Amino acid sequence: GAGVSQSPSNKVTEKGKDVELRCDPISGHTALYWYRQSLGQGLEFLIYFQGNSAPDKSGLPSDRFSAERTGGSVSTLTIQRTQQEDSAVYLCASSFQGTAGETQYFGPGTRLLVL
Amino acid sequence: AQSVTQLDSHVSVSEGTPVLLRCNYSSSYSPSLFWYVQHPNKGLQLLLKYTSAATLVKGINGFEAEFKKSETSFHLTKPSAHMSDAAEYFCVVRDNAGNNRKLIWGLGTSLAVNP
Repeated sequence: GAGVSQSPSNKVTEKGKDVELRCDPISGHTALYWYRQSLGQGLEFLIYFQGNSAPDKSGLPSDRFSAERTGGSVSTLTIQRTQQEDSAVYLCASSFQGTAGETQYFGPGTRLLVL
Repeated sequence: AQSVTQLDSHVSVSEGTPVLLRCNYSSSYSPSLFWYVQHPNKGLQLLLKYTSAATLVKGINGFEAEFKKSETSFHLTKPSAHMSDAAEYFCVVRDNAGNNRKLIWGLGTSLAVNP
């Protein structure tokens, strides 16, 4: 079956503009995660969705970042008033139930460049 | 608090020689541990994981890792490196206490394989 897909694959924007990044998880997966990978860094957790529960937003770096997940499937990560330090690869992952030890399946990422 | 330390940022080996990528972790509770691989311009892929079963874990592509609680280590090994193993490798820990769902990522080890 299809894996996790993300769009766009690349995004170049100007400082101050808003961007939306999209993630389509694997069908049937109830858990969805967003991460950020900056150059030369490991992955930084941003936000986690599990079914109908309130999302874990503890990793969002500022109030300019928000995410939603509609219908328990597709998720959109929005960055408002982008800054140059937001430039990174944004990765989405999904897993079946979000339980401990469960494998997360990653999408190819969206490479964001803020000029 | 959880943390992950990958002791080498770069490792270079010759094809056919053993690979050792070192990882130490800190976790308050019994952790789940993972190794992920990221090939250039490709998505993250799970190599193997430890979830409190056998301490020696075998993964894909001939890789294995041993969970050593006394040393708080989860080093990744392979008996004989192949050119296709050249990639970035990430050690990841998840604390299994409570509702914690976040993965804590190491900064990565870049593996180069020389002919």
